[in-house]
Amino acid sequence: EAGVAQSPRYKIIEKRQSVAFWCNPISGHATLYWYQQILGQGPKLLIQFQNNGVVDDSQLPKDRFSAERLKGVDSTLKIQPAKLEDSAVYLCASSSGLMNTEAFFGQGTRLTVV
Amino acid sequence: AQSVSQHNHHVILSEAASLELGCNYSYGGTVNLFWYVQYPGQHLQLLLKYFSGDPLVKGIKGFEAEFIKSKFSFNLRKPSVQWSDTAEYFCAVGSSNTGKLIFGQGTTLQVKP
Repeated sequence: EAGVAQSPRYKIIEKRQSVAFWCNPISGHATLYWYQQILGQGPKLLIQFQNNGVVDDSQLPKDRFSAERLKGVDSTLKIQPAKLEDSAVYLCASSSGLMNTEAFFGQGTRLTVV
Repeated sequence: AQSVSQHNHHVILSEAASLELGCNYSYGGTVNLFWYVQYPGQHLQLLLKYFSGDPLVKGIKGFEAEFIKSKFSFNLRKPSVQWSDTAEYFCAVGSSNTGKLIFGQGTTLQVKP
């Protein structure tokens, strides 16, 4: 079974630039998560999708971050404009459903904002 | 507010020593509990999980965890650690209703050979 795919693996941008991350979840997984993991901290949930609908985006900085999952499969997370404090690993995870299921994680995208 | 707290940020042990990593949570409603591990250079992977039933759960590589509902705790244990257990360990709590999954800040375990 193929895992959660993310790209790119690494990205370096200047502050105020924009960046986008892509995630392809495990086939058939309805739930998709985006997390931000700053060095030395645990993953922080940014947004959770169920199919193409948003379940929770309470921690998403909506003035600069956006995410979509238009067809309920792939997802894109965008930052515009980026700030220095956005430097982190962005993790995508998916699970098969809402109840009593585990999440599977991708390798993450390491973003450095300079 | 929902939160997960891991007691130890950095633990150093010698091989064959016993391990216990603490995890407490604050989360309304019925929860699912997880421990994830991240080995150097690898992605997060599931170590063990608790959904219901026996509060003592066994995971991969000899790890186990005990859910104590009255203490809102889900501590991870291993009787004898190996050098290959060097990794970062994350406790996570999920809502069994919404699937919302939040993580603790992680514990870095360093096992000396």
